[in-house]
Amino acid sequence: QQPVQSPQAVILREGEDAVINCSSSKALYSVHWYRQKHGEAPVFLMILLKGGEQKGHEKISASFNEKKQQSSLYLTASQLSYSGTYFCGTEGGSQGNLIFGKGTKLSVKP
Amino acid sequence: DSGVTQTPKHLITATGQRVTLRCSPRSGDLSVYWYQQSLDQGLQFLIQYYNGEERAKGNILERFSAQQFPDLHSELNLSSLELGDSALYFCASSVGPAGSTDTQYFGPGTRLTVL
Repeated sequence: QQPVQSPQAVILREGEDAVINCSSSKALYSVHWYRQKHGEAPVFLMILLKGGEQKGHEKISASFNEKKQQSSLYLTASQLSYSGTYFCGTEGGSQGNLIFGKGTKLSVKP
Repeated sequence: DSGVTQTPKHLITATGQRVTLRCSPRSGDLSVYWYQQSLDQGLQFLIQYYNGEERAKGNILERFSAQQFPDLHSELNLSSLELGDSALYFCASSVGPAGSTDTQYFGPGTRLTVL
């Protein structure tokens, strides 16, 4: 079942923070986060496995709450280069494939 | 550059035709995944191959088929094309068989336009 991402779109000024959420109606084994710029391929950001581990990547970090079947992506002190559409991909078992959300479009303005 | 290559970059064809999209995974990767991305459907998983064998199947139409060859490159065949098949088709690769725990690296995509 497709995870639900919120918000659908967000506009930020450079230096502002943002949170993107990803929720599933079923138990999750893992959550993947990708960023895609217009006309380009999705680029991997991070994987979170069940266990509530929080991961970081430069000024981008994420958390995974397996009890709530939710993951959140945190972007701090946003830069112009952060603009793009962010997708979460979820999987409910250990051997299956990813189901991606519809994406959150992030626009960072100077 | 992810290391995954896809050809062709663009493809324009007519309804009812058949096309083949090609993907070469990153060196050392054994899994290949195919995705379809359209404006209204988002990123849809189609099918995964691991070391030549079909591993997982998603929302792939019966008119579509894929295979992975001994040299690990993969081809996605789309037949009896319809207008609604117009989309970006991405190939991704990963080292292992489990798409849920492996990092997937995406190729640049093939833009298919069906007229």
